[in-house]
Amino acid sequence: AQTVTQSQPEMSVQEAETVTLSCTYDTSESNYYLFWYKQPPSRQMILVIRQEAYKQQNATENRFSVNFQKAAKSFSLKISDSQLGDTAMYFCAFMQGGSEKLVFGKGMKLTVNP
Amino acid sequence: GAVVSQHPSWVICKSGTSVKIECRSLDFQATTMFWYRQFPKQSLMLMATSNEGSKATYEQGVEKDKFLINHASLTLSTLTVTSAHPEDSSFYICSARDFTIYEQYFGPGTRLTVT
Repeated sequence: AQTVTQSQPEMSVQEAETVTLSCTYDTSESNYYLFWYKQPPSRQMILVIRQEAYKQQNATENRFSVNFQKAAKSFSLKISDSQLGDTAMYFCAFMQGGSEKLVFGKGMKLTVNP
Repeated sequence: GAVVSQHPSWVICKSGTSVKIECRSLDFQATTMFWYRQFPKQSLMLMATSNEGSKATYEQGVEKDKFLINHASLTLSTLTVTSAHPEDSSFYICSARDFTIYEQYFGPGTRLTVT
């Protein structure tokens, strides 16, 4: 079974700084998708970024980018120019190709301080 | 972007009663919907996968007779918590998959409190 590990339960960063959230996963499959979701205090899950395993290029979405290291099974999220609105729980998630299920990590609480 | 709604957003019920939670995809058709449960400060736990027109598939350890799921149309799935007990109090989140891409869109969640 696939597992997703987020080893840092909590982090804080100053506004405008850069922060990296780590995630590792375990799978024997070659076709899969990786996601970062954000859950602010409202508890609405919001997709931050997605990465297809077959793509070598790291995904980017404005201030958010990933460092996808397939061989190391690592999928870290970098948030540049952190904003107060980035304060939230962040969940790394895995979806096997052909499956519809998301497997979530335990999450990490990020606090952006003014 | 795609929108998924849930109703109600917060419900309080008495122990022994049943409560129904609705999940709707507002601007796309969802052949598959998912129901999650989230305890405070914890991750999302998948309870079941709901496919339109067929029986839901429950995850191991989830009581299907207690958590009744009905996916009656391509835009609506319901979760009914039967004979609710205080330990059923939790945050329930649904998501809907856009079948054209590998992506799930989440509803805003429903807070259930059983007294």
